[in-house]
Amino acid sequence: KAGVTQTPRYLIKTRGQQVTLSCSPISGHRSVSWYQQTPGQGLQFLFEYFSETQRNKGNFPGRFSGRQFSNSRSEMNVSTLELGDSALYLCASSLEKLGTPGANVLTFGAGSRLTVL
Amino acid sequence: DAKTTQPPSMDCAEGRAANLPCNHSTISGNEYVYWYRQIHSQGPQYIIHGLKNNETNEMASLIITEDRKSSTLILPHATLRDTAVYYCIVRAWNSGNTPLVFGKGTRLSVIA
Repeated sequence: KAGVTQTPRYLIKTRGQQVTLSCSPISGHRSVSWYQQTPGQGLQFLFEYFSETQRNKGNFPGRFSGRQFSNSRSEMNVSTLELGDSALYLCASSLEKLGTPGANVLTFGAGSRLTVL
Repeated sequence: DAKTTQPPSMDCAEGRAANLPCNHSTISGNEYVYWYRQIHSQGPQYIIHGLKNNETNEMASLIITEDRKSSTLILPHATLRDTAVYYCIVRAWNSGNTPLVFGKGTRLSVIA
């Protein structure tokens, strides 16, 4: 069974540019969450999508956006990049079957490491 | 903010049991305790979860106190590959739109 796939794994951008990261969840998983990890702030929640709808959003500026497609694949976009956006961006998917707590387990991808110069 | 408190770091000799404590004194009745770990530069990996009974799987055991205010993750025979940051998280079940809130976790170093 394929895991969560994130692309690209590494990328370098310059300030002011924009970036799009992609996430393919485990087959059958309808919930996709995004997290940002930096040495200073640790793992922070960005947003979560379920059936193409954003259900929850973390405390990040509007430069950070995302979407989910009908096949549950998700993308996140960061516009007008700043140096502080350099981070590991992690995507996670879950089955989320009501009444089954174990189905809320998140499976994470390997992440996309973004460096902003 | 994270609802759990963990020691920042621990050491364990290879082959010995690693016991990682977690305090969650404000846990609610509908909240599960989840444990994840993150090996350097990889995505977090799910280990185990529980509500009030002790749980065991192929990776670890989870011991939850009777009052549910604390728990211990046990890696029975730690290996060098278990060196990682371990996160204890409480989260209500059936809460698909409630994100996992990661604290700083415990950095476990397994020493040969």
